Amino acid sequence: TQLLEQSPQFLSIQEGENLTVYCNSSSVFSSLQWYRQEPGEGPVLLVTVVTGGEVKKLKRLTFQFGDARKDSSLHITAAQPGDTGLYLCAGARNQGGKLIFGQGTELSVKP
Amino acid sequence: DAMVIQNPRYQVTQFGKPVTLSCSQTLNHNVMYWYQQKSSQAPKLLFHYYDKDFNNEADTPDNFQSRRPNTSFCFLDIRSPGLGDAAMYLCATSRDFRGAFGNQPQHFGDGTRLSIL
Repeated sequence: TQLLEQSPQFLSIQEGENLTVYCNSSSVFSSLQWYRQEPGEGPVLLVTVVTGGEVKKLKRLTFQFGDARKDSSLHITAAQPGDTGLYLCAGARNQGGKLIFGQGTELSVKP
Repeated sequence: DAMVIQNPRYQVTQFGKPVTLSCSQTLNHNVMYWYQQKSSQAPKLLFHYYDKDFNNEADTPDNFQSRRPNTSFCFLDIRSPGLGDAAMYLCATSRDFRGAFGNQPQHFGDGTRLSIL
């Protein structure tokens, strides 16, 4: 059972465009983390959101946690080729605390 | 810098020949994880250690075993690799999650890419 659905799975855009990646679930999470993974490397944590409705900004990246803590979004403004990579959302449940990963969004930003 | 180090970065083995992947950490985290990741897919958790307690995922094949001799090191043993086991294997660590309900981030190594001939 896929508890976290990410969309889109693949996204190819031109430099300077904006984009949004969605992470949705029917389950409530105590927190949600976003990671970026570049080819040949391990995932690197971008942000953790904990409170329903929370918005966090990291330069051109804006992360939002849904009010009900069932969904999250990542918005990138003026994408650059350096943003290329696999974006993973991962949710933590109260029981046990293992992360549940979404299937990832493969982003390609062309110059 | 404190980090999670995986060796080797690339490993080639023969079909059916046992192979061991290693992971070390300088973060002094008590939880260590092994994930399998296939091309452009999400990491799939194989098992994790909470201190010395081993926790296997229900769908992890018996072919995969793990050892954690001390806090810093963790090994992934694949007893008889098949062609379907070719993948990137990621090691990760985190602090105590049972008290913090999973809010602790995971720190990943750069992975070992395993090829099967």
